[in-house]
Amino acid sequence: GESVGLHLPTLSVQEGDNSIINCAYSNSASDYFIWYKQESGKGPQFIIDIRSNMDKRQGQRVTVLLNKTVKHLSLQIAATQPGDSAVYFCAENRAGNTPLVFGKGTRLSVIA
Amino acid sequence: DTGVSQNPRHKITKRGQNVTFRCDPISEHNRLYWYRQTLGQGPEFLTYFQNEAQLEKSRLLSDRFSAERPKGSFSTLEIQRTEQGDSAMYLCASSLGTGRGGYTFGSGTRLTVV
Repeated sequence: GESVGLHLPTLSVQEGDNSIINCAYSNSASDYFIWYKQESGKGPQFIIDIRSNMDKRQGQRVTVLLNKTVKHLSLQIAATQPGDSAVYFCAENRAGNTPLVFGKGTRLSVIA
Repeated sequence: DTGVSQNPRHKITKRGQNVTFRCDPISEHNRLYWYRQTLGQGPEFLTYFQNEAQLEKSRLLSDRFSAERPKGSFSTLEIQRTEQGDSAMYLCASSLGTGRGGYTFGSGTRLTVV
C-alpha cells in the first residue's frame, strides 16, 4: 500500500554533531513534503518543506534532501543542540486537495 | 493572533459518555483539519473543512464522531458513547488554502477514556 514511513525509530547524537533523519515514501504522486518537529505535550511544529521539483532546500541549521528516484526524504540538522530533542515526522501531500499524510516519526535524543 | 487554540487541553471521561472538543484556528485560515495521534504514532487524518464545508472524512471517523464548523471560524469535534480505544491526542490544524506552506497545529486535546 501507499505509505509514508521512517527507517529509524530512534536516533541518539552527541551535542554539536550533525543529525540525519530519514523517511521513505511510496506514492510517486506525492509532490510536496514537510518535516515537522513535535516536543512532548505540544502539537507538531513546521520545520521545512520541499516541493518535488527541487532536490534540496536549506533553512537555518536544517537541510531537506529529496531523492525522487528512490522515493527518499531526509532531514539534516547541523550542530545538533539539546533543544532539538523531539520527535520528527515527515509528511507528504499528494497533488490536489488531499490532506497531509504523516509517517510514524523518529525520536531524536541529544546527548550533552 | 496567538495561533491555533484547542480546548480543553485534557479530558478524562468515563466510557459511554459524550465529549466535545473545540478548536479556534488562525483567523485568516480558511481550512481547518482534525487529526488523531496515539502514543508513538504520527498524526492520522480525521476530517477537514474549507470554510464551513466539510470536504473530506477519513474512514477512521466512525458514526460516533461528528465535526462541525458552523460559521467557518471555530470547529467542534464530538465523540458520542466514548470507548477506551478513543483515548488519544486530538490535534487541530489550520491552513490558508491547500496548505502548501504547511499547517499550523494546536497543542491538542488529550482524551483519556476510563
